[in-house]
Amino acid sequence: NAGVTQTPKFQVLKTGQSMTLQCAQDMNHEYMSWYRQDPGMGLRLIHYSVGAGITDQGEVPNGYNVSRSTTEDFPLRLLSAAPSQTSVYFCASSYTGTNNEQFFGPGTRLTVL
Amino acid sequence: RKEVEQDPGPFNVPEGATVAFNCTYSNSASQSFFWYRQDCRKEPKLLMSVYSSGNEDGRFTAQLNRASQYISLLIRDSKLSDSATYLCVVNIVSGNTPLVFGKGTRLSVIA
Repeated sequence: NAGVTQTPKFQVLKTGQSMTLQCAQDMNHEYMSWYRQDPGMGLRLIHYSVGAGITDQGEVPNGYNVSRSTTEDFPLRLLSAAPSQTSVYFCASSYTGTNNEQFFGPGTRLTVL
Repeated sequence: RKEVEQDPGPFNVPEGATVAFNCTYSNSASQSFFWYRQDCRKEPKLLMSVYSSGNEDGRFTAQLNRASQYISLLIRDSKLSDSATYLCVVNIVSGNTPLVFGKGTRLSVIA
């Protein structure tokens, strides 16, 4: 099993550009989520999904969209990048939800200029 | 009061020392609790779940005190490889943030 994979590992954007961060898991996990991690802020939940076709907002959803068309994939779209979105983004998955171990991808380091 | 609070450290301890971290949480309805470990520039990984009766895994012991709303992590006989940031994680199961991460406690074990 590859576990949770994320692409790209690094990305530099200009303000106003859009892009999609990819996340995939091969463990047949129902629950997937996106976090951002900033210095001194800890991990903050952006969006999450309890299964294919179902998504919901987390603590900091503004400026981000998600979709979950398959169990395996959970892409995160930045609609119009802003410097405040400079961060490290982690995708995570778990078997059923938040009572289970969360498996994290290696992260995407995003810089918005 | 923040939902999950941890002392950020750093805790600098010599090899072989015993070190303990505490974490407090504000929501008395919180249902499950975890400690994750995060190495520098890496993703978090589950260290251990925290059960009401307490649990031990080798040199690591986790305890939960519901009355005082805190969880603890004890590391005995510290190794250089224990150097990392330890994240306290609480499952609140309400609102739009079902899993809340503390900001982490940084541990440096020194030879």
